[in-house]
Amino acid sequence: SQQGEEDPQALSIQEGENATMNCSYKTSINNLQWYRQNSGRGLVHLILIRSNEREKHSGRLRVTLDTSKKSSSLLITASRAADTASYFCATVPYSGAGSYQLTFGKGTKLSVIP
Amino acid sequence: NAGVTQTPKFQVLKTGQSMTLQCAQDMNHNSMYWYRQDPGMGLRLIYYSASEGTTDKGEVPNGYNVSRLNKREFSLRLESAAPSQTSVYFCASSDWAGNTEAFFGQGTRLTVV
Repeated sequence: SQQGEEDPQALSIQEGENATMNCSYKTSINNLQWYRQNSGRGLVHLILIRSNEREKHSGRLRVTLDTSKKSSSLLITASRAADTASYFCATVPYSGAGSYQLTFGKGTKLSVIP
Repeated sequence: NAGVTQTPKFQVLKTGQSMTLQCAQDMNHNSMYWYRQDPGMGLRLIYYSASEGTTDKGEVPNGYNVSRLNKREFSLRLESAAPSQTSVYFCASSDWAGNTEAFFGQGTRLTVV
């Protein structure tokens, strides 16, 4: 079964607004990664956050990780129409069987309206 | 820099036919993956290769086989295609399985009729 679950499934905002997407997962992780997919294209890596980190920034992106709640959030500030895409979280288990697997959730579809 | 290259980009198969999806990366990565993406299901891991010479099953391996031909190439074979295998297939690679970012190919859109 898929490890991560994103919430909401779909999000529609106005250009300039902030967008927040959440990811919950089930088992202990080594790290959690966020990816973007434009329609019909391959996925592009955004940020990797390790289990001992709580927050990371990259440009207009901010990712937080709460291992006690087994959840992460991705914040996109000052959104642009070009941010319209699907966003996926992916997790890598901490150890044991499958510890090399990169497992994706079902994604959040973000629409930014100009 | 080509990154991860998948061939073909599109394919239509008849039920029962076989085919091999090819994937090659030029980043000297150790690990490679095959995923399928279906509407509303996100990406599901079919098989992965943590390093050259090893392959392991993912979440949905039934009906597929893989070969890690060398460090660069990782192929996915459908021995007897079924309509349920209609999907978009993505190959990915990373420097070290699970510990670094993954780079994706552009996908193969497969239809089985």
